[in-house]
Amino acid sequence: DTAVSQTPKYLVTQMGNDKSIKCEQNLGHDTMYWYKQDSKKFLKIMFSYNNKELIINETVPNRFSPKSPDKAHLNLHINSLELGDSAVYFCASSPSERGYTFGSGTRLTVV
Amino acid sequence: GDSVTQMEGPVTLSEEAFLTINCTYTATGYPSLFWYVQYPGEGLQLLLKATKADDKGSNKGFEATYRKETTSFHLEKGSVQVSDSAVYFCALSDLGGAGANSKLTFGKGITLSVRP
Repeated sequence: DTAVSQTPKYLVTQMGNDKSIKCEQNLGHDTMYWYKQDSKKFLKIMFSYNNKELIINETVPNRFSPKSPDKAHLNLHINSLELGDSAVYFCASSPSERGYTFGSGTRLTVV
Repeated sequence: GDSVTQMEGPVTLSEEAFLTINCTYTATGYPSLFWYVQYPGEGLQLLLKATKADDKGSNKGFEATYRKETTSFHLEKGSVQVSDSAVYFCALSDLGGAGANSKLTFGKGITLSVRP
């Protein structure tokens, strides 16, 4: 019944590795997002997709590549991970009269 | 561009105290305004929203009124509980929160701790 689900919940990896985070929503929304929450809890948008099409790309390094195989899924692939990539990544979807719906987050730790 | 400014934290209150968390915004047009809450170790949950001037959003005893003249959306609760301890984020969305180009712009968040 989870509306927006992300996997994995925790991810610990070494510098230089490549990793992916998956997101799925069962709300029928057309638009999905990736947000990054830094160590000071500041949230900033990274990408948005509408019906598989990239809409927003906010000055994110090109090591980050979102992929949307269909409108219910938005995955985030990160190449050559760096220490500064450590953060909590949130997937979200909209529109909704009740506001944007967020997943529970993926805590990425790069060591 | 759009921006949201929240008061500096953290805030520590005793149970049953009155809570006010200030939030002001800068935006073109008529944004929708939101308060999100993040409980320890959890994701973001929508607490309340308002979509036009003078609207009041309310939920779980929390209230906030969309004030266009002061560009503010302050969060209030008359009597806080220990279970309200969390991080609170004020946010705005252009395009009324819908549409392919809409996005949420967040304030920095404020940590609230309520002691028994």
